[in-house]
Amino acid sequence: GEDVEQSLFLSVREGDSSVINCTYTDSSSTYLYWYKQEPGAGLQLLTYIFSNMDMKQDQRLTVLLNKKDKHLSLRIADTQTGDSAIYFCADFSGNNRKLIWGLGTSLAVNP
Amino acid sequence: NAGVTQTPKFQVLKTGQSMTLQCAQDMNHEYMSWYRQDPGMGLRLIHYSVGAGITDQGEVPNGYNVSRSTTEDFPLRLLSAAPSQTSVYFCASGASGYTGELFFGEGSRLTVL
Repeated sequence: GEDVEQSLFLSVREGDSSVINCTYTDSSSTYLYWYKQEPGAGLQLLTYIFSNMDMKQDQRLTVLLNKKDKHLSLRIADTQTGDSAIYFCADFSGNNRKLIWGLGTSLAVNP
Repeated sequence: NAGVTQTPKFQVLKTGQSMTLQCAQDMNHEYMSWYRQDPGMGLRLIHYSVGAGITDQGEVPNGYNVSRSTTEDFPLRLLSAAPSQTSVYFCASGASGYTGELFFGEGSRLTVL
């Protein structure tokens, strides 16, 4: 079946940029999502990108998509302690209209 | 708008007991789903519904039942709880023409002894 992979942990210093990477295998991907989960809370949509786009910028967030390599990244500029959370990459497959989730990357921001 | 509301937030059960996790949304969303989240396993889809009266199985449906009698509500029933069902459960909803954008509840933490 289709798969989404992410590294499990990332540690950065406050004020630095964070880059969270994700790879996927689905050839019929239509939307690719980044969700954020703060401790003890549910997931919330952070941003998304259409599969026919290369880049999307939204304030401190930049999403880059390399369709050839099926690689997605989320860059958070000027990372703050409030950005400490788990970040999930998810691929919406156009074939079966299912969301395929990565295991999540736990981002720790150190002061 | 309250969004997606789950109750209870915490529950402890004994093996073999039954219970229902409630989920309600006030956004008139057609799509609703239940996930469980376990350490190292990520999010796994239990059941989902694309509208009132329609439900379908996700990747881990065994031991769980659902129904969707109204657009707003999507309860998850555990008929005979097992320790393997100890988990955090999330209800999530999506608008008509669902394309992966989900709105999540705050979660229900269930412990089965």
